[in-house]
Amino acid sequence: GEDVEQSLFLSVREGDSSVINCTYTDSSSTYLYWYKQEPGAGLQLLTYIFSNMDMKQDQRLTVLLNKKDKHLSLRIADTQTGDSAIYFCAESTLTGGGNKLTFGTGTQLKVEL
Amino acid sequence: DAGVIQSPRHEVTEMGQEVTLRCKPISGHDYLFWYRQTMMRGLELLIYFNNNVPIDDSGMPEDRFSAKMPNASFSTLKIQPSEPRDSAVYFCASSAADRGNEKLFFGSGTQLSVL
Repeated sequence: GEDVEQSLFLSVREGDSSVINCTYTDSSSTYLYWYKQEPGAGLQLLTYIFSNMDMKQDQRLTVLLNKKDKHLSLRIADTQTGDSAIYFCAESTLTGGGNKLTFGTGTQLKVEL
Repeated sequence: DAGVIQSPRHEVTEMGQEVTLRCKPISGHDYLFWYRQTMMRGLELLIYFNNNVPIDDSGMPEDRFSAKMPNASFSTLKIQPSEPRDSAVYFCASSAADRGNEKLFFGSGTQLSVL
């Protein structure tokens, strides 16, 4: 079945790096995603990685994928207070009707001064 | 583009009343999704449409929930009758088919409170 797990909370100091981890179960996932949700808003796509890649870098964001262990991580360099939000990982799974996303429980990132 | 537009932003109603949530997807997107977010269950997919046709409604919790997409620019999610346990934030999202890459764009959500 599909199950995506994340730790619930992470607290870091401004300027430090943040690493948010995620484990998923569907080995046939083609794409994996990171979304950000700020208070009172919908989810916003941050970045994604194709399953045949093991790393993707996009400015301050680095995504690492360990397909063998079904482990995905998001590293945010030089974390700022504006990065405080809930971060969701998601996997794309193939169903009878097409691809659908299964989201993790979300990790609340708190950035302290 | 204005993005995915949902209305209302907030809805407070009494148990037993009918609730209708509305969504306008991004123009040109051929997939539309309805999600529900609660503290207990996180983000749950309720139903999704492809080219206005419902593809998977296995996440719809009960017969009290129904969704329609009469055209490419409008969808509704209806709860009749509503119950307190339906209180949640309901999100609509849309995406364009891209060879299996489901980049979803979310609306701001409707905060539903059923008293």
